[in-house]
Amino acid sequence: KQEVTQIPAALSVPEGENLVLNCSFTDSAIYNLQWFRQDPGKGLTSLLLIQSSQREQTSGRLNASLDKSSGRSTLYIAASQPGDSATYLCAVAGGGNKLTFGTGTQLKVEL
Amino acid sequence: EAGVAQSPRYKIIEKRQSVAFWCNPISGHATLYWYQQILGQGPKLLIQFQNNGVVDDSQLPKDRFSAERLKGVDSTLKIQPAKLEDSAVYLCASSLKGQLQPQETQYFGPGTRLLVL
Repeated sequence: KQEVTQIPAALSVPEGENLVLNCSFTDSAIYNLQWFRQDPGKGLTSLLLIQSSQREQTSGRLNASLDKSSGRSTLYIAASQPGDSATYLCAVAGGGNKLTFGTGTQLKVEL
Repeated sequence: EAGVAQSPRYKIIEKRQSVAFWCNPISGHATLYWYQQILGQGPKLLIQFQNNGVVDDSQLPKDRFSAERLKGVDSTLKIQPAKLEDSAVYLCASSLKGQLQPQETQYFGPGTRLLVL
């Protein structure tokens, strides 16, 4: 059974700081790994999708890496802004595009 | 393009009552998912439809939960009777091809927040 763990559970940083969120998973037989953002009272928004054959994906200030063999992924956020405050969820896709989610990292970027 | 629509946004009921949630996926999306997200946890898949057929309902508590997808478009999720531990956000998501295209992302609705008293 796939298990996904995210560290840290919560993080508070000053504006402008670069930060790294971590995700680990137990079963390396995945199709892809995705990072989502969840704002309070809202649904999930997909940020980055890394296919199993890829090592990293970039979108603007976000960069996600994937190391399937070690069961790890990181989400790097450059020059953080208050608008980045949200919960970040990591999810791995198994057979049938079934997603298994981690418990999330709650990020607060302070002025 | 319009996103995934869900209603109601909030629902408060007493235990042992029944409740139903509705989801309208993105037009043309073949696959529809229902997730349960308990406070402080990540979403957990309850059921996955491919068109109007069930692909995976292994984590659906079938003694009290039921779901259907009419004509392969809209879907309803029902809980009868509700328990205190059903308090959660119920998220609906859709994807274009689903299990036929494992490299695609899912698009999520805003969710229905259920409180069982």
